[in-house]
Amino acid sequence: GQQVMQIPQYQHVQEGEDFTTYCNSSTTLSNIQWYKQRPGGHPVFLIQLVKSGEVKKQKRLTFQFGEAKKNSSLHITATQTTDVGTYFCARWDSNYQLIWGAGTKLIIKP
Amino acid sequence: NAGVMQNPRHLVRRRGQEARLRCSPMKGHSHVYWYRQLPEEGLKFMVYLQKENIIDESGMPKERFSAEFPKEGPSILRIQQVVRGDSAAYFCASSYDDRGSNQPQHFGDGTRLSIL
Repeated sequence: GQQVMQIPQYQHVQEGEDFTTYCNSSTTLSNIQWYKQRPGGHPVFLIQLVKSGEVKKQKRLTFQFGEAKKNSSLHITATQTTDVGTYFCARWDSNYQLIWGAGTKLIIKP
Repeated sequence: NAGVMQNPRHLVRRRGQEARLRCSPMKGHSHVYWYRQLPEEGLKFMVYLQKENIIDESGMPKERFSAEFPKEGPSILRIQQVVRGDSAAYFCASSYDDRGSNQPQHFGDGTRLSIL
């Protein structure tokens, strides 16, 4: 299936700064899911977006699904040390496989 | 805790040995998925099983790898004659409904397999 391109691969921020990761596809997505994986941990489901232009918030996290349903973003406002980890987007393809982006690693500068 | 249970958490094998990874899905879930993750990479789908059936094994190498989900007991991912390249984290996930429903997947803590 078509891959989802996720950028950037890493983002270094000072604690309190914002963080954004982007997920792009060349084809229209039926839905997009976001997961967080802490260092040494397992992926944890955060949210699923299905509607064009959808915006959902979870406290300091804002998830968006593009109008054309070809891209999605996750924005974290005022990062905290508990936000450290890798954030993955994933999409269901026509073969009912969950295809994962490569992830964006959020690193808090010391 | 009725979460997805994987064991062992860490497994060390020598080249040529067999590795058996176990996964018990969440209570009430009958759909199990296995993924492989290399360091600094995303998850790669390997196989999707329901009780007693392999639904999709298109992501699993044809040789040395096999998976099962028996009527009773956990799902097993088996790797025969392991090689260094098999070193990775193997995650199991389960869902209540079939994947056509785009359900979120609930993951176990994974098995970190190291080949000496």
